[in-house]
Parts: sequence; C-alpha cells; structure tokens
Amino acid sequence: DAKTTQPPSMDCAEGRAANLPCNHSTISGNEYVYWYRQIHSQGPQYIIHGLKNNETNEMASLIITEDRKSSTLILPHATLRDTAVYYCIVRVAGANQGGKLIFGQGTELSVKP
Amino acid sequence: GAVVSQHPSWVICKSGTSVKIECRSLDFQATTMFWYRQFPKQSLMLMATSNEGSKATYEQGVEKDKFLINHASLTLSTLTVTSAHPEDSSFYICSAPPAGGPNEQYFGPGTRLTVT
Repeated sequence: DAKTTQPPSMDCAEGRAANLPCNHSTISGNEYVYWYRQIHSQGPQYIIHGLKNNETNEMASLIITEDRKSSTLILPHATLRDTAVYYCIVRVAGANQGGKLIFGQGTELSVKP
Repeated sequence: GAVVSQHPSWVICKSGTSVKIECRSLDFQATTMFWYRQFPKQSLMLMATSNEGSKATYEQGVEKDKFLINHASLTLSTLTVTSAHPEDSSFYICSAPPAGGPNEQYFGPGTRLTVT
C-alpha cells in the first residue's frame, strides 16, 4: 500500500472549516484514499473514502487532486467534538484484498473555541 | 452504522497471567477481523488478521504463541495475551469489515490492558 504524509498537527477555530491535507504521491491506479479519525482513547471511526472523484457525506468532503497524488479532507464547520487524530490511508478496496489498514502518524487536529 | 464491541473495556492483571479480550460484531457478520495495538502517543499497529474457521495471520515481529487469536464464529474473535508482562500494557483495538458489505471498517472501542 502507498505511503502517506500528513502534517503532525493543526489548529482550527470552532465553526470554521478544517482542511486536512494528505500527500500520497506513490498511489497506484487501483488504490483508494480512506480517512479515519480517532478521538482520544476510543477506537477509530470511518469518515469517508474515494478513488478519484470528490466525495461528500454527512461528516466531511474529500477532495482528490486530478493526478491523485494528494487529497484534502474538509470538515465544513468544525466543532470541539471534532478534536481528534485524523488518519489518511491509501489501500486497495475490497474484501478480497485483505482489508487491513496500515496507519501512519496522522494529523492531530485541535479545534479551539 | 455497524457496531463492534470489545470486552472488557479495561483490565489489570499480574505479570505472568493470561488475559482474554473479546471482539464482537453486533449487527453484522465478519469473516475477517483485525487486531491492533496502540501505545501512548503512538499510532495503531496492526498485529494480526483473524480469519473465521482458519488460522490467524500475524504481522512480522508479532509472536503468535504469545498473542493467541481465535475466530470461533462470524461474530466473535478473541485475543489472548499469554504470560503477560508489563511491556504488554497497551490499548488493544479490533476492527471488522462487514462481509460482502461496504469497504469501510468498523472499530471496537478498545481494551486498555495494564500488566503490573
């Protein structure tokens, strides 16, 4: 699976958009970009994933560059409860691919009042 | 969304004893489950893949005789830490992708193990 690079930490003001970048320059054509987050002392939570088109769900938006070498997770209106470590993971989708997730160091997002 | 539970949520044991941690998928079946370990201020490290009806697959450097994994049914996987030592103290987390379902995985809330 391709390696990802994320900034170790970011701050965001409550109510503002949080934009979390991720570089995955060695991504392969059949690899998806997944985002998970982990609130302190809890299990990780799935946020969103995508292949090449931008995706949006009730939690966030995922913007993937045209060359697919980087992406940005957008939390449109961050709240204090969004304070967590956010992990960008690249892997081939589908249960027949093993399904295991390899976590990097992630970005620690602090949402401040 | 799908729910994965873990039991116990925390456990304290004495050095040399064994501890069993359960991971259950509550509203879906999972032919595969994953076990992770997380030390303070560090990321999750994949330990092993638990396969229903067959042997677990361990990641490099993880002792299979120390971390026994059993996937007895489509909704239950157990991790037994044998002859635990203080260095085994960690946060253990399991995850499961729903069989035949979407690609995202659902994680349990984790089990905090402290070995004294």
